[in-house]
Amino acid sequence: QVQLVQSGAEVKKPGASVKVSCKASGYTFTRYDIFWVRQAPGQGLEWIGKVNPSGGSTNYAQRFQGRVTLTSDTSTSTVYMDLSSLRSEDTAIYYCVRTYSGSYFDSWGQGTLVTVSS
Amino acid sequence: DIQLTQSPSSLSASVGDRVTITCRASQSIGSFLNWYQQKPGKAPKLLIYTASTLESGVPSRFSGSGSESDYTLTITSLQPEDSATYYCQQSYTLWTFGQGTSVEI
Repeated sequence: QVQLVQSGAEVKKPGASVKVSCKASGYTFTRYDIFWVRQAPGQGLEWIGKVNPSGGSTNYAQRFQGRVTLTSDTSTSTVYMDLSSLRSEDTAIYYCVRTYSGSYFDSWGQGTLVTVSS
Repeated sequence: DIQLTQSPSSLSASVGDRVTITCRASQSIGSFLNWYQQKPGKAPKLLIYTASTLESGVPSRFSGSGSESDYTLTITSLQPEDSATYYCQQSYTLWTFGQGTSVEI
């Protein structure tokens, strides 16, 4: 079955960077884009960006442009999200999500809590 | 950006009730509208895609309808396990989510 397994929780200081991984299994890794979506405590869902594991092309939400980098490693079926210049408002659960044709999100990782605190 | 507005923000209903959640887009989104269920401490789960197609394994008491800018998620005969927050999401232009509707039983 499709599985997306994310790396563990992180605690970072303001201004630092965080790198979260998402290992995919149970399907052909290069056939589906992977999105990153976050959810601040008690809040709704917000898309951050997407990566095409086949060619590495990316698309980022405007508000994260310049601060986020999404990469993929086809040898390990893993995608990575690197978020820099962290601030307290970045405290959230970050999900990697598989998308069918960029239309709907059919499989979600378990989420990674990133806490930004001095 | 396309905005999605869900109503109500929260509701309380009884087991067996019929529940309707609406999602209004700021422009027509051509049925590129999906619904998710999220339980506390869990990742969201896909329920309905392209407005009305039921995801495999989702109980048939869930249904979706709508077109243009107005969409509806209906739960017929509400069950205790349906207590959750429900989100709509559009993929017509980029990707945005509604603010969520909390369903309490």
